[in-house]
Amino acid sequence: GENVGLHLPTLSVQEGDNSIINCAYSNSASDYFIWYKQESGKGPQFIIDIRSNMDKRQGQRVTVLLNKTVKHLSLQIAATQPGDSAVYFCAENIRGSQGNLIFGKGTKLSVKP
Amino acid sequence: KAGVTQTPRYLIKTRGQQVTLSCSPISGHRSVSWYQQTPGQGLQFLFEYFSETQRNKGNFPGRFSGRQFSNSRSEMNVSTLELGDSALYLCASSLVRSNTEAFFGQGTRLTVV
Repeated sequence: GENVGLHLPTLSVQEGDNSIINCAYSNSASDYFIWYKQESGKGPQFIIDIRSNMDKRQGQRVTVLLNKTVKHLSLQIAATQPGDSAVYFCAENIRGSQGNLIFGKGTKLSVKP
Repeated sequence: KAGVTQTPRYLIKTRGQQVTLSCSPISGHRSVSWYQQTPGQGLQFLFEYFSETQRNKGNFPGRFSGRQFSNSRSEMNVSTLELGDSALYLCASSLVRSNTEAFFGQGTRLTVV
């Protein structure tokens, strides 16, 4: 896949368990964050976003938590399914920047049936 | 509503040639951004177009260029191809700004031989 060679952190979970994927960001001026899922051979798929004036946001089976104090973002997936197996990226926007997203290196999630 | 469409899906070119990739954004989206994804560097921002103007540019050489048409469709061009240009090129469209709710296409896999 596209991320072979990056030695991505890997999270292996059992089907039905909850997954937590973490992301650290470095810029305290970042004010908007997105989580993407990328399956092999496909482009990144938008999952959920959150703005810096919030610390939690929930979607369908997913929850994003933002801790601005320690500059940490997490994605929680409830009742993980085999179809959730993919590489997950967090992306951030820096307030006042010209506007492009900055992506993390990604975490590979493997779901065991 | 149709998603972001990138053509072609796969390309093989030889060193020294040039290549043009195409991206049709989601209907109504006016911002188009391009990213390069490689195993070694991950997702890196190339440039962003809005209303036919380049609004933001990443740290890539001048061999990488792009444009946007009045219907928001975008093309990127890479001249004098090098082996290191082999990558997945991704296009993302957003309603207004590239740093909000960016949706990606499937990408164009470019192989330079």
